Amino acid sequence: DGGITQSPKYLFRKEGQNVTLSCEQNLNHDAMYWYRQDPGQGLRLIYYSQIVNDFQKGDIAEGYSVSREKKESFPLTVTSAQKNPTAFYLCASSFSRLNTEAFFGQGTRLTVV
Amino acid sequence: ILNVEQSPQSLHVQEGDSTNFTCSFPSSNFYALHWYRWETAKSPEALFVMTLNGDEKKKGRISATLNTKEGYSYLYIKGSQPEDSATYLCAFLQGGSEKLVFGKGTKLTVNP
Repeated sequence: DGGITQSPKYLFRKEGQNVTLSCEQNLNHDAMYWYRQDPGQGLRLIYYSQIVNDFQKGDIAEGYSVSREKKESFPLTVTSAQKNPTAFYLCASSFSRLNTEAFFGQGTRLTVV
Repeated sequence: ILNVEQSPQSLHVQEGDSTNFTCSFPSSNFYALHWYRWETAKSPEALFVMTLNGDEKKKGRISATLNTKEGYSYLYIKGSQPEDSATYLCAFLQGGSEKLVFGKGTKLTVNP
């Protein structure tokens, strides 16, 4: 079945450590996105990529890094520089231009302890 | 940063009631407006993608309208059912941008 998969579902990290969240899709989508959700807030864009080997900062990119070495994969690293990393992270993908729907993964809840 | 507003923030209705929510977005340089339904413990799922002023789209008991000149979209649910309980998100895409900007959502609870 085609879809978009995020792993893990829950992640705990010690303060000061980097952690990488996985996002894989087999929908042949060119574009992939990372969003963050905090209580009482809408989804906020961290990074996005329209094509392999290229990505752009979203509205809240500080403290995060990404790579897009393969079309299917768009991992997000939450670095120790991210001041408030505890949040729910959603990955999405779409065909290049967003006049068609985006498909979402089930999310990763990251907790920094 | 673009501002996308949704109202109300939350809504409780009885089974069988009809309801509607609003999404407001910038009226300049419109490209597309998305509606998603996000049920608890699931992924957001697309309901509609609307691109033309005056668009009306329907999926079962759910429909949406779009006014790009004044910058709003309405989502209607006719005869709400408990399974309609979810958070409904709208998202705006401006022309020339590749960023989908989300509102905070409207959380709907339908009581049996």
